[in-house]
Amino acid sequence: GAVVSQHPSWVICKSGTSVKIECRSLDFQATTMFWYRQFPKQSLMLMATSNEGSKATYEQGVEKDKFLINHASLTLSTLTVTSAHPEDSSFYICSAPSWGRDTGELFFGEGSRLTVL
Amino acid sequence: AQTVTQSQPEMSVQEAETVTLSCTYDTSESDYYLFWYKQPPSRQMILVIRQEAYKQQNATENRFSVNFQKAAKSFSLKISDSQLGDAAMYFCAYRSFFSGGGADGLTFGKGTHLIIQP
Repeated sequence: GAVVSQHPSWVICKSGTSVKIECRSLDFQATTMFWYRQFPKQSLMLMATSNEGSKATYEQGVEKDKFLINHASLTLSTLTVTSAHPEDSSFYICSAPSWGRDTGELFFGEGSRLTVL
Repeated sequence: AQTVTQSQPEMSVQEAETVTLSCTYDTSESDYYLFWYKQPPSRQMILVIRQEAYKQQNATENRFSVNFQKAAKSFSLKISDSQLGDAAMYFCAYRSFFSGGGADGLTFGKGTHLIIQP
């Protein structure tokens, strides 16, 4: 099956610094990837759609200058949280649709837990 | 915009018994996908079952089955012979169907925490 991998799985940073999270499709190509954020005991909320070779599409209320998304290749999308603050502490998950015939299913990475001190 | 509603924040069931998780959704689209995802404590999202809206037959996967009522916009999940490993958060999700390419993300419900009593 399609495998999506995220790195790092866990990161702690100081307030004001920037953190980059990588999302890779290991055995398929992904022209589109989705980034979700999940706060404790809550559901997944779509933050943005990452498109290979073009600008990302952000959901309403998500600051594009704070959450920089780059989809540089067909297997890699990155999310950079700039000038992170404690309220940015959350679980970030990426996902991608299957390549070729779209079955509707999204394949998820393992997630990245961000803690901002 | 589509919305997904899960009205049961938490459900508890005895091991080996059957439990049904509820989900309703709102959409003006005629073609779409519906999913149930499981999120165990590891927080890895695991697909449980998938349903295409154009299919009238309810999807089944071993002990998991759905009751898809398109007119009522209802999509419940039935877990038979519950096992301890079924304990997790269960999310109902909706995804638009794009016949001409393109892609859209999933819209999730708030989730139901399923507890399995030994």
